[in-house]
Amino acid sequence: AQTVTQSQPEMSVQEAETVTLSCTYDTSENNYYLFWYKQPPSRQMILVIRQEAYKQQNATENRFSVNFQKAAKSFSLKISDSQLGDTAMYFCAFERQKLVFGQGTRLTINP
Amino acid sequence: DTGVSQDPRHKITKRGQNVTFRCDPISEHNRLYWYRQTLGQGPEFLTYFQNEAQLEKSRLLSDRFSAERPKGSFSTLEIQRTEQGDSAMYLCASSRHNLAGGTDTQYFGPGTRLTVL
Repeated sequence: AQTVTQSQPEMSVQEAETVTLSCTYDTSENNYYLFWYKQPPSRQMILVIRQEAYKQQNATENRFSVNFQKAAKSFSLKISDSQLGDTAMYFCAFERQKLVFGQGTRLTINP
Repeated sequence: DTGVSQDPRHKITKRGQNVTFRCDPISEHNRLYWYRQTLGQGPEFLTYFQNEAQLEKSRLLSDRFSAERPKGSFSTLEIQRTEQGDSAMYLCASSRHNLAGGTDTQYFGPGTRLTVL
């Protein structure tokens, strides 16, 4: 069975700073997908970024980028020029037919 | 594209009652998923459908839980004889899966928050 671990329960940074959220996972599969989802307070889960395991190039989406290390089974999220609206729970997820989520990191961006 | 919708958004019930939730996926999506999220935790997979076929059920899904997707469009999740431990947010997601084995991103609805008194 796959497992996803987010070792940082909470993080807090100042607006405009760069922050990196960590995620590791465990699987015996070779083909899979990895995601970062964002869940703002009392709002629904939305996709931040997606990475296909067969792609060596790290995914980027505007201010969001990932560092995907397949051999190390590591998938961290970097948020550049953080904004107040980035305040949310961030979940790392592994997909092979269904999503397996980590425990989440609560990120607070302070003005 | 109206996104995934869920109804109701909130449900308060007494222990022992039955409840039913509805999920309407994005119209062209053939896969529909149910997850359960308790406070401060990540969502946990419950079950998923491809069209009207239920392809997988989690061991978390006790006999009191049943899900259907009769026409391959909307889905319902029913919980019979609710218990206080069933209190959680129930999330629905949908995606488009192609025959070549590729998977599209799962898009989530706003969830139904269940409180069992």
